[in-house]
Amino acid sequence: AQSVTQLGSHVSVSEGALVLLRCNYSSSVPPYLFWYVQYPNQGLQLLLKYTSAATLVKGINGFEAEFKKSETSFHLTKPSAHMSDAAEYFCAVEEGFQKLVFGTGTRLLVSP
Amino acid sequence: DAGITQSPRHKVTETGTPVTLRCHQTENHRYMYWYRQDPGHGLRLIHYSYGVKDTDKGEVSDGYSVSRSKTEDFLLTLESATSSQTSVYFCAISEAGGPLSEQFFGPGTRLTVL
Repeated sequence: AQSVTQLGSHVSVSEGALVLLRCNYSSSVPPYLFWYVQYPNQGLQLLLKYTSAATLVKGINGFEAEFKKSETSFHLTKPSAHMSDAAEYFCAVEEGFQKLVFGTGTRLLVSP
Repeated sequence: DAGITQSPRHKVTETGTPVTLRCHQTENHRYMYWYRQDPGHGLRLIHYSYGVKDTDKGEVSDGYSVSRSKTEDFLLTLESATSSQTSVYFCAISEAGGPLSEQFFGPGTRLTVL
């Protein structure tokens, strides 16, 4: 079965600092990977997805993620955090056709 | 925003009572999903549907049943609610399925079972 591990349930950064949210996957086949964001009291919204077309994937709101097969990682980064980035972020892997398996989430806190 | 609504948005019920949650979409998407979200577990798939009357189990399907009699509606039923089913439930839809097709999420239903 596919799985993803998100290191750190909470990450705190200052406004303007680099954001790095970690995700490692476990998959026996080339995976399809996703990052979703959840703002308070809302559903999830897709940030970006990796489907093997390119290892560096750019998403919305200035986020990007790099697929590294040798490290089985798909970490999410943003060069400069903004207060509006405060949310919970979920990494997910596709398991079989149609189904997503989510990580446990990382809450990003941004301080002024 | 994708046209997905969930009803009710909040519900408090007692152990042993039946509960039905509704997901309604206006996008005519083929695939629909029910997830539950719990602290420390992320989102876990309960059931999904790949067409009218076509459904399958997800990771945590015990104690839940679903029905889809129309493209636009996907119902999740807890036949006899238990406290362990206290959670936030999210519906999602997908047009074609697979990694090239994005899943769009509804606003969620917060269910409390006393």
